[in-house]
Amino acid sequence: AQKVTQAQTEISVVEKEDVTLDCVYETRDTTYYLFWYKQPPSGELVFLIRRNSFDEQNEISGRYSWNFQKSTSSFNFTITASQVVDSAVYFCALSLARSNDYKLSFGAGTTVTVRA
Amino acid sequence: EPEVTQTPSHQVTQMGQEVILRCVPISNHLYFYWYRQILGQKVEFLVSFYNNEISEKSEIFDDQFSVERPDGSNFTLKIRSTKLEDSAMYFCASSESVAGGPVEQFFGPGTRLTVL
Repeated sequence: AQKVTQAQTEISVVEKEDVTLDCVYETRDTTYYLFWYKQPPSGELVFLIRRNSFDEQNEISGRYSWNFQKSTSSFNFTITASQVVDSAVYFCALSLARSNDYKLSFGAGTTVTVRA
Repeated sequence: EPEVTQTPSHQVTQMGQEVILRCVPISNHLYFYWYRQILGQKVEFLVSFYNNEISEKSEIFDDQFSVERPDGSNFTLKIRSTKLEDSAMYFCASSESVAGGPVEQFFGPGTRLTVL
């Protein structure tokens, strides 16, 4: 069975600070996919990024970047120069690459509060 | 931009009553999902649906739950006899069928179910 752990419950920062969200996952499958979703106060779930287990290349997309390390089963996410609009709950999720079974297993979420 | 829609946005019902939550997935998507989120908790998988049948269901998805795709556009979740603990936000999601593994799931805005 797969499991996703987000140890940080809440993070509070001042605008323009960087925020790094930790995510540790567990699975016995060798092929899997990792995601980050954002849930702003309005409640919807917004897709941010997706990474497969064969691609450990870390990337930057605008103010977002991620650090995927298979050796430590971690998939951390960083928001650079945070803004008040980044205030939300951020969920890390795992999906296995099994035929017709692509359900997402979510972590408990990290609440990010960015103060002006 | 195409999006997943859900109705109603809020449903209040008495314990023991049946409720039907409705979703219209993105039109060219073939994988459909229901998730729920109890207030303040993580998002939990309920059921996945592909090719007009259930692909997988969680232990939460017991005999009181059923899903249906009655026509080419709607995807419904029925709870036969609601319990207090069914109170939650229910999210519908859909994704494309893409060779090579799971792609991002697009979530609807959710239906908040309150069981009194």
